[in-house]
Amino acid sequence: QKEVEQNSGPLSVPEGAIASLNCTYSDRVSQSFFWYRQYSGKSPELIMSIYSNGDKEDGRFTAQLNKASQYVSLLIRDSQPSDSATYLCAVRRAGNQFYFGTGTSLTVIP
Amino acid sequence: EADIYQTPRYLVIGTGKKITLECSQTMGHDKMYWYQQDPGMELHLIHYSYGVNSTEKGDLSSESTVSRIRTEHFPLTLESARPSHTSQYLCASIHDTGELFFGEGSRLTVL
Repeated sequence: QKEVEQNSGPLSVPEGAIASLNCTYSDRVSQSFFWYRQYSGKSPELIMSIYSNGDKEDGRFTAQLNKASQYVSLLIRDSQPSDSATYLCAVRRAGNQFYFGTGTSLTVIP
Repeated sequence: EADIYQTPRYLVIGTGKKITLECSQTMGHDKMYWYQQDPGMELHLIHYSYGVNSTEKGDLSSESTVSRIRTEHFPLTLESARPSHTSQYLCASIHDTGELFFGEGSRLTVL
C-alpha cells in the first residue's frame, strides 16, 4: 500500500466550476498535510498546508482534513484555465520525511 | 517564499562526464532534500540532509552522491553520467513553518 494515494485523473472541469481533488494516506501518525501545484516542466509550488481536522480556506482554495478517515481534499472554486496543472498531495510524518502522491492532473476547459 | 537556488537549470552532457548540480539557500535551514522526477511521473527522494556533515540516501537508489559541508549548500554529483540519469532533479528545504519548498529544478539530459 502506498503512503499517499491520489486519483491520477485526468480530471476535467469547465471554467467557473468547482474542482475537487482527493487524497488518502496510510499512516495515522502523519502530522501535516500539503497540496502542491505543478505545471508541466516546472517544480512543485506549495499552495495549501493543513494541520488539524476541518477546513482551511485561502482565496479560491479550500483544504479539508479528516484524520479519522485519513483523507485530505482540495477544492478549487471558480476554476480558471490557469489552474490546469498536476496537483500533488503530500504528508509529513515525525522525522521530517515527506511522502508524495503521484498527483492528479486537472484541466480547466474555457 | 522559497529562496532555494539551483544551477544549472538545464544541462545537456555526454555519457561518462562528471556533473555537479548545485543547490543553495540563504535561510539557514538545516533540512534539505534532493528529489528526482521523470516527466509526468512521481517524485522520488534520493538524498537528504539534516545538517552539516549529515547525509542519507533516500527511498530511490541513486548512483549520485551528495555533500553538506556548509549549511547553505547541498550539491549533488554524478561521477559518470549515463542516459538513464536523464531526469529533473529538484532540491528542497524545510522552512521554519515546517513546510517544504522546492527550487526551480535542474533538468539533465545525458546523450
